[in-house]
Amino acid sequence: EAGVAQSPRYKIIEKRQSVAFWCNPISGHATLYWYQQILGQGPKLLIQFQNNGVVDDSQLPKDRFSAERLKGVDSTLKIQPAKLEDSAVYLCASSLDPTQTQYFGPGTRLLVL
Amino acid sequence: GENVEQHPSTLSVQEGDSAVIKCTYSDSASNYFPWYKQELGKGPQLIIDIRSNVGEKKDQRIAVTLNKTAKHFSLHITETQPEDSAVYFCAAMTTDSWGKLQFGAGTQVVVTP
Repeated sequence: EAGVAQSPRYKIIEKRQSVAFWCNPISGHATLYWYQQILGQGPKLLIQFQNNGVVDDSQLPKDRFSAERLKGVDSTLKIQPAKLEDSAVYLCASSLDPTQTQYFGPGTRLLVL
Repeated sequence: GENVEQHPSTLSVQEGDSAVIKCTYSDSASNYFPWYKQELGKGPQLIIDIRSNVGEKKDQRIAVTLNKTAKHFSLHITETQPEDSAVYFCAAMTTDSWGKLQFGAGTQVVVTP
């Protein structure tokens, strides 16, 4: 069974630029999560989708971050404009449903200069 | 909301010895407690989890114990090997959080030959 796929793996941008990350969850997983992991910390949930609907986006900085999962499968996370403090690893995870195990992708490492 | 504290932040053990990592949580409604292992440059990987109707769970060299009264849970690794070196994260989920995991800050485990 293929795992969670993410791209790109690395991205370097300058502050005020925009960036987008892509995630393809495990086939059949209805729930998709985006986490932000700052160096030396545990992952922090940014947004959670159930199929193509948002379940929780309380921790998403909505003035600059946006995410969508239009067809209930793939998802994109966008930052516009980026700030220095957005430098982190952005992890995508998926699960069959919200009560089941979450499986993580390899992450996208973002550096904002 | 839920708050998870994890100790120690770093742990150095000799190969063959045991390692123990402890986490405490604040919300008595938490009922799911996974442990993830994260190697450098990779996403977190689930190694074991426990639900609140069970006090202990074991999988080969790895075990997790849960004390609901004291609101803490622990990861035990026996007969440590160099490949156990990684960052370990505990997490907790409440019954009404609909899939939202609250992670601890992580423990860097180094197993020396």
